Amino acid sequence: DAKTTQPPSMDCAEGRAANLPCNHSTISGNEYVYWYRQIHSQGPQYIIHGLKNNETNEMASLIITEDRKSSTLILPHATLRDTAVYYCIVRVATGGSYIPTFGRGTSLIVHP
Amino acid sequence: KAGVTQTPRYLIKTRGQQVTLSCSPISGHRSVSWYQQTPGQGLQFLFEYFSETQRNKGNFPGRFSGRQFSNSRSEMNVSTLELGDSALYLCASSLAATARGYGYTFGSGTRLTVV
Repeated sequence: DAKTTQPPSMDCAEGRAANLPCNHSTISGNEYVYWYRQIHSQGPQYIIHGLKNNETNEMASLIITEDRKSSTLILPHATLRDTAVYYCIVRVATGGSYIPTFGRGTSLIVHP
Repeated sequence: KAGVTQTPRYLIKTRGQQVTLSCSPISGHRSVSWYQQTPGQGLQFLFEYFSETQRNKGNFPGRFSGRQFSNSRSEMNVSTLELGDSALYLCASSLAATARGYGYTFGSGTRLTVV
């Protein structure tokens, strides 16, 4: 059963914008989309979350489509330190529980 | 402020043994979740606690259990360890139950190796 779908890998030149897509076609109407990233051997780091409207913070911007079935995380000026695995997360109703479901993530490599 | 603290950082156990992992959430956070991360399965949700009550549970066998104390600290226990239980176990805390609308803050994890 589909939860989130992300491309397994992407690369980006340093200083350019990195646009990471995520499909979450089974998202419920009142469930948020969260983005995290994980640098090797560390715990995931929260980036941003949103419900319906586009969101921006000091780390990134989140664009959510009107039908909420997909979203894009934008790192406006990627640096080498942004190299990490990026996870898009929704909570999926499963047997009465709402399970925060990580996809396989996108391995983003930022190159000089 | 202090982050999410997980102890121990590394652990080696033998098949058949049991293990208890500890998580201290950020001060003021009352929701604690546990995850298992393996190269093959990725990050998988184990369970979530809020105010000492289990609110959500992932699809793991009964050998995996947890609890939360009145000070919001949480422990997870794995009994009758199997080789496949070798993983990074991550704890995350959040302000609210179900963390809807709030982000999780993760600890650095406990690396469990079963031999």
